[in-house]
Formats: sequence, structure tokens, C-alpha cells
Amino acid sequence: GESVGLHLPTLSVQEGDNSIINCAYSNSASDYFIWYKQESGKGPQFIIDIRSNMDKRQGQRVTVLLNKTVKHLSLQIAATQPGDSAVYFCAEIDQTGANNLFFGTGTRLTVIP
Amino acid sequence: DAMVIQNPRYQVTQFGKPVTLSCSQTLNHNVMYWYQQKSSQAPKLLFHYYDKDFNNEADTPDNFQSRRPNTSFCFLDIRSPGLGDAAMYLCATSRTQYQETQYFGPGTRLLVL
Repeated sequence: GESVGLHLPTLSVQEGDNSIINCAYSNSASDYFIWYKQESGKGPQFIIDIRSNMDKRQGQRVTVLLNKTVKHLSLQIAATQPGDSAVYFCAEIDQTGANNLFFGTGTRLTVIP
Repeated sequence: DAMVIQNPRYQVTQFGKPVTLSCSQTLNHNVMYWYQQKSSQAPKLLFHYYDKDFNNEADTPDNFQSRRPNTSFCFLDIRSPGLGDAAMYLCATSRTQYQETQYFGPGTRLLVL
């Protein structure tokens, strides 16, 4: 079955530094990927998405990179702020039509002031 | 603002006492989902409605049921909660069921005594 996994369960960065959160997936049929941010006690919040016909997409302070060759995507957060502290999940949807999200295990980002 | 709303935010129930969690949305999305999320884990899909069409995940226990009386509302019924059902329950919506972003509500945290 599908497997979406994250390389690191925790990540600590200094305020102002850039953060990189990585995610590996195993389903070659995956062609839509979403990054969610989940703060403690809240629901996942959509950050950015990317489809498989792209290898890079930028938002406000965030960039998602997709490498289909090695089935890897990453979320880059520029100038990390204390408000960025949260658990970040990558999730993928495959081409089969059903809109089921397959979540990775999550990475906890802690920003050190 | 268009949004996904969950009530209550916190629910306490007794072992074996039926409980209902509610979700409403102002996005006019066709698809509504229910997820269970336990501590430090990724959300796990229980079931979803595409319009009035109910889709149950294969490993969702029979103890969990759902109702969608109209486009805006969806309910999660737990017929006989066990201690293992204590979790955060997340509602999400998407416009269609074909590779669309899912938008999550704030969640209801269920405690079973």
C-alpha cells in the first residue's frame, strides 16, 4: 500500500533561519501533494500544494520542491518565526480518482527564539 | 469567512454512552470527511460522504456511524465509546472527490471516562 513517510520526527531551528522539512513517498501513482501545518489542539491547516507536473511551487515564505525521480518532496520555510512552531504533515493523493489523503507521520518543528 | 466548524470543541462521555459530534461547512463543498487522530499520530480517515453517497473505510469499526442530512452538516455517531476511542476527531471538506485540497475544521477532542 501507499507509504508516505518523513525522514525526521523533530526539527529545531533558530528564529530567522530557514527550515527544511522532508518527506518521502512510495506510491509512484501519487500526483498531488499537500503540506499541512497543525498547531497544538487545532486542525491541520493547508499550507501549500503541488501537482506532479511541477517540481517547485512558492508561496508566502514557503516553497515546496518535488523530485519524482526519487519520490521525495520538501517544504522550505524562509526566515522561520516562533509562530511556525507546529507539526507539519505531508499528504498525497494518487491518480486513481478517490480523494483519499495519505498522511505522513509528521515532523514537529520547534523554533528557538 | 467560509469555513469548517466543529461542535463541541471538547466532549466528555462515559464508557458505552452514545455520543454525537457535529460538523458544518459554509464552503458548499460536495465532500465531507471524518478523521480520527490520536496523540502524536497522523489523521486516520474513517469515512466520507460524496454528496449523499457514503463511503466507509474498510478498517473503520462498526461502532462509528455517520449521517449527512444536507450539504452543510455531517455528524459522527459513536454508538458505544470505548476508552480507545478517546482522540481528536477532525472533519474536513473538499469541493469534489478528484484530487482536491481538503480543508479541516478545528477538531473535537473526545474524552471517554
